[in-house]
Amino acid sequence: GAVVSQHPSRVICKSGTSVKIECRSLDFQATTMFWYRQFPKQSLMLMATSNEGSKATYEQGVEKDKFLINHASLTLSTLTVTSAHPEDSSFYICSASAGHGTGNTIYFGEGSWLTVV
Amino acid sequence: AQKVTQAQTEISVVEKEDVTLDCVYETRDTTYYLFWYKQPPSGELVFLIRRNSFDEQNEISGRYSWNFQKSTSSFNFTITASQVVDSAVYFCALSTPEYGNKLVFGAGTILRVKS
Repeated sequence: GAVVSQHPSRVICKSGTSVKIECRSLDFQATTMFWYRQFPKQSLMLMATSNEGSKATYEQGVEKDKFLINHASLTLSTLTVTSAHPEDSSFYICSASAGHGTGNTIYFGEGSWLTVV
Repeated sequence: AQKVTQAQTEISVVEKEDVTLDCVYETRDTTYYLFWYKQPPSGELVFLIRRNSFDEQNEISGRYSWNFQKSTSSFNFTITASQVVDSAVYFCALSTPEYGNKLVFGAGTILRVKS
């Protein structure tokens, strides 16, 4: 079946530095990718929608200058947390859809645990 | 507006018991899709099922079964003869044309299966 891979699975960075997380669709072309954030024991909150070749669409309250999203190819989207602070520590997970239509099965990556110290 | 409610925060059962996880959704769209995902302690989300609004037929997959009832806007998930490996957080989610292909998640239900 479809596979979405996310890297790194765990990352620790110093406060003030930037960290990049990659999301790849391994056996299908993902026209749309989504980035979610999940705090401990909470549900997933959508951060942004990433469309190949165009700017990402951010959800209300998400700082686009802090969370940079690039979707340069049909198989890769990246999330860069810029000038990270401890409050950015969280579980970030991406998902990918093979088409634009509603209802396409959406597959998730393994997630990335970010710890900012 | 789209909303998914999973009223059960946490459920504990003993192995081999049957357990039902509830999911109630809200949407004004007549076309929509419902999903269930499993999130084990490692964090990844495992896709379990997708159901469109025009297909009310219940589905069974091994020990898993789903009951979709449009009359009550519910899409409940039952695990028969639960096993310890079923312990995880289970999320119900909704996508609608109005909201693109974005998933709106419920709060999740923590399932603990004890041996």
